[in-house]
Amino acid sequence: ETGVTQSPTHLIKTRGQQVTLRCSSQSGHNTVSWYQQALGQGPQFIFQYYREEENGRGNFPPRFSGLQFPNYSSELNVNALELDDSALYLCASSLDRSSRNNEQFFGPGTRLTVL
Amino acid sequence: AQSVTQLGSHVSVSEGALVLLRCNYSSSVPPYLFWYVQYPNQGLQLLLKYTSAATLVKGINGFEAEFKKSETSFHLTKPSAHMSDAAEYFCAVSSNQAGTALIFGKGTTLSVSS
Repeated sequence: ETGVTQSPTHLIKTRGQQVTLRCSSQSGHNTVSWYQQALGQGPQFIFQYYREEENGRGNFPPRFSGLQFPNYSSELNVNALELDDSALYLCASSLDRSSRNNEQFFGPGTRLTVL
Repeated sequence: AQSVTQLGSHVSVSEGALVLLRCNYSSSVPPYLFWYVQYPNQGLQLLLKYTSAATLVKGINGFEAEFKKSETSFHLTKPSAHMSDAAEYFCAVSSNQAGTALIFGKGTTLSVSS
């Protein structure tokens, strides 16, 4: 069973640029959530996708957008990068969007640095 | 709305000593609570979860947590710390609004000395 994978591992961008981060969910999981973890902080929920549709969104501006594909992999896109977007971006997959007690399985994250 | 507060951003213990990491929650609905551990340069790994089946929850690596509704707490304990327990620990509550999002505390760094 393959776990959650994310690419790239590290990324350096310049303010104003756009970035795309990728996530492959664990086998059999149809729900993907994205989190932003700033240095020294806990992860903050960005949004969740279930069967290719957004299923919930945290307090992030519209320049944070996402996609989920038929194979349940997912992308996180961030436009007009700002310095404060520098963080570890975590992807998590789970079996079912409807159960609040479902375990979310996390990938290793993508470290984004905005200069 | 739900929230989680972790008391103490840094806890230091000696190898073999009791580990106690504190977590208090706020929730307008019966909470589902989780403890995750994060080792350096890695993602989060689930230690244990509370889903209303039992108030004392046992997890991996010898950790356990007790749900106390009257105190709105879900503290994480381990009787005897190992050097390998040094990591960042996060308490989280499952949202009832934004899909099945997890709302995390700010984390507690556990240091273990020999």
